[in-house]
Amino acid sequence: DVKVTQSSRYLVKRTGEKVFLECVQDMDHENMFWYRQDPGLGLRLIYFSYDVKMKEKGDIPEGYSVSREKKERFSLILESASTNQTSMYLCASSRVAGGYSEQFFGPGTRLTVL
Amino acid sequence: GDSVTQMEGPVTLSEEAFLTINCTYTATGYPSLFWYVQYPGEGLQLLLKATKADDKGSNKGFEATYRKETTSFHLEKGSVQVSDSAVYFCALLNTGFQKLVFGTGTRLLVSP
Repeated sequence: DVKVTQSSRYLVKRTGEKVFLECVQDMDHENMFWYRQDPGLGLRLIYFSYDVKMKEKGDIPEGYSVSREKKERFSLILESASTNQTSMYLCASSRVAGGYSEQFFGPGTRLTVL
Repeated sequence: GDSVTQMEGPVTLSEEAFLTINCTYTATGYPSLFWYVQYPGEGLQLLLKATKADDKGSNKGFEATYRKETTSFHLEKGSVQVSDSAVYFCALLNTGFQKLVFGTGTRLLVSP
């Protein structure tokens, strides 16, 4: 069964802390994505990766960075957390295909920055 | 740029009522269209999709038809159940890209 897992369901951090959100997929997918979900704004793409060590900025990359050292793992890094980064973070993966390839989502990490 | 607009929620219905959630889009070219569902405490799951004009996507009793002339992809179900309570997201993906563009989501609440 297809699976995308995220390291934490709930996380509480303090302003200025460095925060790591981890995502692992077991489907050998090439593409991986990080989104944040906020009420009234839907899902917004932060970063995505087409391959190991490859990354592309999404629509809202400011304040975030990513790392993809292995195909199955995609990390989102908040270098210095701020209160406006309190949100739900969703990871997704998909395979490379000529047309559309379904994105599979993890359960999400709800991050609170105090 | 590409965008998706869907109706504000919450939509509150009684069990066995008819459901419509409106979705319209703006995009260049010929995008593929999707409905995703998010049950409480879970990530998003693909509910249905349509890849070209006049296609009808269907799954679990839900249907949506890709209407190019009205740039719409409204979600419908003839008889909702309490278990359908969730947040529904309309999304599009333009040709040649792997990045989904999401609407803001519509919460559906179904009471017994």
